[in-house]
Amino acid sequence: QLQLQESGPGLVKPSETLSLTCTVSDDSITTGNYCWAWIRQPPGKGLEWIANMCYTGTTYYNPSLKSRVTISADTSKRQFSLMLTSVTAADSAVYYCARRTAYTSRRDFWGQGTLVTVSS
Amino acid sequence: QSALTQPASVSGSPGQSITISCTGTSSDIGGTNYVSWYQQYPGKAPKLMIFDVTNRPSGVSNRFSGSKSGNTASLTISGLQGEDEADYYCNSYTSHGSWVFGGGTKVTVL
Repeated sequence: QLQLQESGPGLVKPSETLSLTCTVSDDSITTGNYCWAWIRQPPGKGLEWIANMCYTGTTYYNPSLKSRVTISADTSKRQFSLMLTSVTAADSAVYYCARRTAYTSRRDFWGQGTLVTVSS
Repeated sequence: QSALTQPASVSGSPGQSITISCTGTSSDIGGTNYVSWYQQYPGKAPKLMIFDVTNRPSGVSNRFSGSKSGNTASLTISGLQGEDEADYYCNSYTSHGSWVFGGGTKVTVL
């Protein structure tokens, strides 16, 4: 069974950069037709799609975050990452990584989520 | 991009059927079959319940079904059970290559 695990600091200061990594338990990040996404959920609020990178290397970003977000992958480590610059308290959220089968909406594997708080 | 519109809450008695709507535009729901639904319990990651409008992953109860008409997608839960009490989110691909979620619906079993 595929597992995804988010990692990164739980506390980030305002104006700094949030960096998270998602580690994938199998080779699907290199061998399959998948897209890898970051999704976040502020406490008590709904889900927000941030970005994804597909097996082709193509990246897509939420237009409202595009100027601050970068998604990248290190397939040799079976990892993909998120960088969000110039964070504010509004970026405090549980951040999830997830896998979607390309050319479908089948996003069937998610990490457990990691809480990131932006505070000085 | 604006979030898809879902009712904040829907309730029903055990055994009843309920339907959750998800309204978007021709740039998202109306223009794609890449619409999915997720169930989320407090403190847990979302779980895929429906993908590509009507498809159910293996292991998901056949009490859950999806449909779409125009710019509105719907999730129907039949034979409502206590374990169905959770938050539900719709998600759609957009014409810009991005994805957008609905605001979420809290389902209460009376």
